[in-house]
Amino acid sequence: AAGVIQSPRHLIKEKRETATLKCYPIPRHDTVYWYQQGPGQDPQFLISFYEKMQSDKGSIPDRFSAQQFSDYHSELNMSSLELGDSALYFCASSHRDKEFYEQYFGPGTRLTVT
Amino acid sequence: AQTVTQSQPEMSVQEAETVTLSCTYDTSESNYYLFWYKQPPSRQMILVIRQEAYKQQNATENRFSVNFQKAAKSFSLKISDSQLGDTAMYFCAFTVDSSYKLIFGSGTRLLVRP
Repeated sequence: AAGVIQSPRHLIKEKRETATLKCYPIPRHDTVYWYQQGPGQDPQFLISFYEKMQSDKGSIPDRFSAQQFSDYHSELNMSSLELGDSALYFCASSHRDKEFYEQYFGPGTRLTVT
Repeated sequence: AQTVTQSQPEMSVQEAETVTLSCTYDTSESNYYLFWYKQPPSRQMILVIRQEAYKQQNATENRFSVNFQKAAKSFSLKISDSQLGDTAMYFCAFTVDSSYKLIFGSGTRLLVRP
């Protein structure tokens, strides 16, 4: 079965640079979620989109922005990167009308800021 | 505030034995869903089991079962016949109807000893 795809899997950036993370949800899933997991921490919700509209917002810094496109893939844009942004970034997807509460996670993008 | 508490940072069990991981949560919502996720060394987030709050019957998935005590807001995970591949970080999480974001506990690191 198709799973959530995230790219790139690993990314190394320097402070003050910009990064773009991409997420391709499971086919026919209409909702995308972004989570940030710092070293030794639990995942923290950043933002979610339903049918290309932002549906909820968590502890996402103002330096970050995200959107969901017409093909339902989503991108998380991160600017003015800081050392503290180094983390594993997960994307998850679900379908609102079918087991909407069950989220399927991608493999994550490991971002290292040096 | 909506919170999840996992009071056992680390646990260890002998292969083939049974282990129970504890989780308590707090929410004022009446309709919510509870999950246990497994995160092995690969860091992939894998859904182990889910429980709808409106269902009284405890969920079971093969060797994994839960003890859901709604009044006590407790949601423990029992792993029977533990296998070496069960070694992982286990996160308890829940989501509510008003916002589908997952709220995670701090995790319990489980080591299965041969």
